[in-house]
Amino acid sequence: QVQLQESGPGLVKPSQTLSLTCTVSGGSISSGTYYWTWIRQHPGKGLEWIGYIYHSGDAYYDPALKSRVTMSVDTSKNQFSLNLSSVNAADTAVYYCARAAATPYKFDFWGQGTLVTVSS
Amino acid sequence: QSALTQPASVFGSPGQSITISCTGTSSDVGGYNFVSWYQHHPGKAPKLMIYDVSNRPSGVSNRFSGSKSGNTASLIISGLQAEDEADYYCSSRTSSSTLVFGGGTKLTVL
Repeated sequence: QVQLQESGPGLVKPSQTLSLTCTVSGGSISSGTYYWTWIRQHPGKGLEWIGYIYHSGDAYYDPALKSRVTMSVDTSKNQFSLNLSSVNAADTAVYYCARAAATPYKFDFWGQGTLVTVSS
Repeated sequence: QSALTQPASVFGSPGQSITISCTGTSSDVGGYNFVSWYQHHPGKAPKLMIYDVSNRPSGVSNRFSGSKSGNTASLIISGLQAEDEADYYCSSRTSSSTLVFGGGTKLTVL
């Protein structure tokens, strides 16, 4: 059974960079046609798609966040990461990592999510 | 990209059937058969319930079904059970090859 687990600081100061890592277990990040995705949920709000990265390193981001987002993958550690720069209070959210299979549009496995608060 | 429109809340009694709608545009829901539905119990990982409009992943109860007409997709839950009480989110591919979610619907089983 594939499992995903987010990790990273729970508190980030405004204007700094939010960095999260998702560790994948129970399967190789390099095998199959999978899109390793980041999604967030603002407090009391719906879900927001941030983008995905393929094991080759090819990535696709939501245009609204594209200027601030960088994703990377470390196949040796079976991990992928999210960097979001120049954060502000509006970036406070629960961040989820998820796996999309075959197409980037359906997520069969998710992490539990991690709350990141942007505050000084 | 605006979020897809879902009712904020839906109520049902055990054994009943309920429908949750998800309305978008011809640039997302109406234009593609990449609509998915997720069940989310707060504090837990969301669970895929329906994909590609009407397909059920292995292990998901056949009480859950999905459909689409025009720019509106629907999740139907029949034989409502207490354990179905959760938040439900729809999602759809967009014309920009991104993904947009609905605002979420809180299902309460009375």
